[in-house]
Amino acid sequence: KAGVTQTPRYLIKTRGQQVTLSCSPISGHRSVSWYQQTPGQGLQFLFEYFSETQRNKGNFPGRFSGRQFSNSRSEMNVSTLELGDSALYLCASSLVGTSGREETQYFGPGTRLLVL
Amino acid sequence: AQSVTQLDSHVSVSEGTPVLLRCNYSSSYSPSLFWYVQHPNKGLQLLLKYTSAATLVKGINGFEAEFKKSETSFHLTKPSAHMSDAAEYFCVAFSSGTYKYIFGTGTRLKVLA
Repeated sequence: KAGVTQTPRYLIKTRGQQVTLSCSPISGHRSVSWYQQTPGQGLQFLFEYFSETQRNKGNFPGRFSGRQFSNSRSEMNVSTLELGDSALYLCASSLVGTSGREETQYFGPGTRLLVL
Repeated sequence: AQSVTQLDSHVSVSEGTPVLLRCNYSSSYSPSLFWYVQHPNKGLQLLLKYTSAATLVKGINGFEAEFKKSETSFHLTKPSAHMSDAAEYFCVAFSSGTYKYIFGTGTRLKVLA
């Protein structure tokens, strides 16, 4: 079974630009979560989508948004990029809410975003 | 509110010696608990999980963890460290009521030759 895939793997943007990151979950997984990881703040939860609806949200400004499609693929968008948005963005998928109690999250390799 | 505390931000061990990474959780019930490992510039890889079956859980690469409800702990251990174990380790709790994953702040393991 293919794992969680994220594209692109690396990205360089300049301040003020916007960026869209993509995540394809494991087949059958309907829950997709996004995390931001930086050396200073560590791993922080952005949001979680389940069946095209945002089910949970972290404490990030409105510049960070996401969506999920009917095939469970998810995108996150960051508008008006700031230097502090430079980070590793991780996506994770799970069966949470789908069936049984299989709650394990599986992570993708991440997208490394550098804002100049 | 549920929380996860990893008591050590950094741990150093010599190759071949035991590893102990400590994790405490706070919850009014027995949550599902996970340990993940992250090597530099990689995603998180599942090491093991506890979901109210056996209290001693065996994972990949020789790691295991014991769930102790009385101590609200879920410490990760390995009998003999290998250089390839050098990484960051995260303890995570899952809240079934809110579908939220609560992450610890991570423990960076250094293995000395």
